[in-house]
Amino acid sequence: SQQGEEDPQALSIQEGENATMNCSYKTSINNLQWYRQNSGRGLVHLILIRSNEREKHSGRLRVTLDTSKKSSSLLITASRAADTASYFCATSPMDSNYQLIWGAGTKLIIKP
Amino acid sequence: NAGVMQNPRHLVRRRGQEARLRCSPMKGHSHVYWYRQLPEEGLKFMVYLQKENIIDESGMPKERFSAEFPKEGPSILRIQQVVRGDSAAYFCASSPDGNNSPLHFGNGTRLTVT
Repeated sequence: SQQGEEDPQALSIQEGENATMNCSYKTSINNLQWYRQNSGRGLVHLILIRSNEREKHSGRLRVTLDTSKKSSSLLITASRAADTASYFCATSPMDSNYQLIWGAGTKLIIKP
Repeated sequence: NAGVMQNPRHLVRRRGQEARLRCSPMKGHSHVYWYRQLPEEGLKFMVYLQKENIIDESGMPKERFSAEFPKEGPSILRIQQVVRGDSAAYFCASSPDGNNSPLHFGNGTRLTVT
C-alpha cells in the first residue's frame, strides 16, 4: 500500500520562484528519498535523507525531515522551466531492507 | 556506464496475446524491481528479484504475470493473455544491493492492449 502522500497534487509557479512540496508518511522509516519524473521518462533519484538527519542540500534542492511529524519537504529554489516534472517521495520502512513505499506525486509546472 | 535499459519502449498487443518486457540493470547491479504506473498516478510495486531468485512478488497478480532474472541476460516481465486493464507503463529499476539504496530507473515500456 502507498503510505507516502505528497501535497500539493499539482503546483504551478513562475520561473525564478521557489517551489515547495510536502510528503507525509505513516510508519517509522530508515530513510526518505525524493525522485523526479519527466513526462514519458523513468524516475531519477534526487536526494536521500536518513532518519537521523534533519536537513540536506544538493544544489538548488533542500530537503527537510521531521520524524516526529512523519513529514518531509522538498524545496527547489530559483525554479527553471526544466524543473517541470512530477516529484515523488519514497519511504524505506524500518521493518524492511528493500521496500520503498511511494506517494502519488506532485506535478510541478514552471511557467516561463 | 550505461543506465538501466528497457525494451521495447512501446509495445502494442491485442487482447489474449503475450507481452514480454525486458530489463537490463545497470552494470554491477544484481537487484531488480518492477513497477507499474497508470497515467497521472504513482508507482505500484510488482516484484523484487535478485539474480535467479524472486524475493518478493506480493504486488504481482498471481495469474498471467510472471517475472524472472536469470543468471545471464536481462530480467523479463511476462504477461500472458493480456487484457485492456494491463495497459500501463511498466518500469524497471535496479540497485547494487537491497539495503534501501537509491534506485536507478529505466525509461519504461508503455504497453497498450487493443
